Amino acid sequence: RKEVEQDPGPFNVPEGATVAFNCTYSNSASQSFFWYRQDCRKEPKLLMSVYSSGNEDGRFTAQLNRASQYISLLIRDSKLSDSATYLCVVNPLSGGYNKLIFGAGTRLAVHP
Amino acid sequence: DTAVSQTPKYLVTQMGNDKSIKCEQNLGHDTMYWYKQDSKKFLKIMFSYNNKELIINETVPNRFSPKSPDKAHLNLHINSLELGDSAVYFCASSQDLRAGGSGEQYFGPGTRLTVT
Repeated sequence: RKEVEQDPGPFNVPEGATVAFNCTYSNSASQSFFWYRQDCRKEPKLLMSVYSSGNEDGRFTAQLNRASQYISLLIRDSKLSDSATYLCVVNPLSGGYNKLIFGAGTRLAVHP
Repeated sequence: DTAVSQTPKYLVTQMGNDKSIKCEQNLGHDTMYWYKQDSKKFLKIMFSYNNKELIINETVPNRFSPKSPDKAHLNLHINSLELGDSAVYFCASSQDLRAGGSGEQYFGPGTRLTVT
């Protein structure tokens, strides 16, 4: 089983749609969680951290369910500029150090 | 002002050659990383240095040797390049969790290595 699993997509949605991405992780001791965004031929960039209570940043909402080892990202009112690959990222805090484990990513394509 | 920079951006070389990639960060972070992203776009950590000390060394061939002259720089030297080394190599940095960092990592623009 992969340490972080995501649906690879692609998700093809029209502008204005709401889209949800899911992610599961295998290490129950993982301590911190993130969603990163990667545009084609670019570096990954932090989109948002994911907190146990759930958190929102504009059109983006992230949820964490520690019992199910499940993370989600909801994008409302999709824009063309949201087209990218979304990477679910888990930090198992190996040896007390920061070590990010990346999922393979979910591709989103928003069309007019 | 570039936070994490890498050189070169593109590197095309032949099998058997030795090459280096350089990384510098001006964020004041004390931890730096090298990642490899292969053709399937899977991003995997290779090495991590904290204050010039190697702390993470994943299963990477000995041909790959990282060097950190100071905490703002982390270079990657690759000996005897092979076709399978073709990938995008990303450098990243973060603030140590023990120093109040949140675990977020900031990535450089990547070095696209093609071995022919």
